[in-house]
Amino acid sequence: EVQLVESGGDLVQPGGSLRLSCAVSGFTFSNYCMSWVRQAPGKGLEWVAYIRPDGSDKYYVDSVKGRFAISRDNPKNSLYLQMNSLRAEDTAVYYCARDWGGAAAGKNFDYWGRGTLVTVSS
Amino acid sequence: DIQMTQSPSTLSASVGDRVTITCRASQSISSWLAWFQQKPGKAPKLLIYKASSLESGVPSRFSGSGSGTEFTLIISSLQPDDFATYYCQHYSGYSRAFGQGTKVEIK
Repeated sequence: EVQLVESGGDLVQPGGSLRLSCAVSGFTFSNYCMSWVRQAPGKGLEWVAYIRPDGSDKYYVDSVKGRFAISRDNPKNSLYLQMNSLRAEDTAVYYCARDWGGAAAGKNFDYWGRGTLVTVSS
Repeated sequence: DIQMTQSPSTLSASVGDRVTITCRASQSISSWLAWFQQKPGKAPKLLIYKASSLESGVPSRFSGSGSGTEFTLIISSLQPDDFATYYCQHYSGYSRAFGQGTKVEIK
């Protein structure tokens, strides 16, 4: 059974930092791209960051470039999101999602975690 | 960057209705489009990928069509479990973009 379990969400002051983790099981983690997607309270979905299977390439939505860093540890089946210089507008539920696994499947975001809440407030 | 625009934003319908949701891309995205269903407090669920491929386990009353810039999600006969918010999403290379969502409400 595929499982993605996020952790690390918390209440943090503006300007602070937080590191989110996503523990993965049930599939060969090192074969898949992975992403973080967030959802502000009462708002829609927003893709945040993406990382290739070997971690060689990483991409970010413009609003987090230079502040957030996605990374992965394939032997530990884990995905991370380091969030620095946090702002009120970063308040959201953060989901990790299994992304592209190759042209044969042709799909992304077929598995999601339950999400972890990040609240940025003084 | 590619922008995705859904319509309508909200839709009121009754059980048994045929429901159509439209998604428009700001430039051609071939068939690299997915549709998701999300219920309150839950993670999104993949329904359709590559514009028209039904994800395993998803009821056949859901269907997707389109290519280029215009895409459609159809629910052929709305069921009580289908009241939710639906999102389209473009994916290609490292480009990822969601539409703003369509909330399907009980009429």
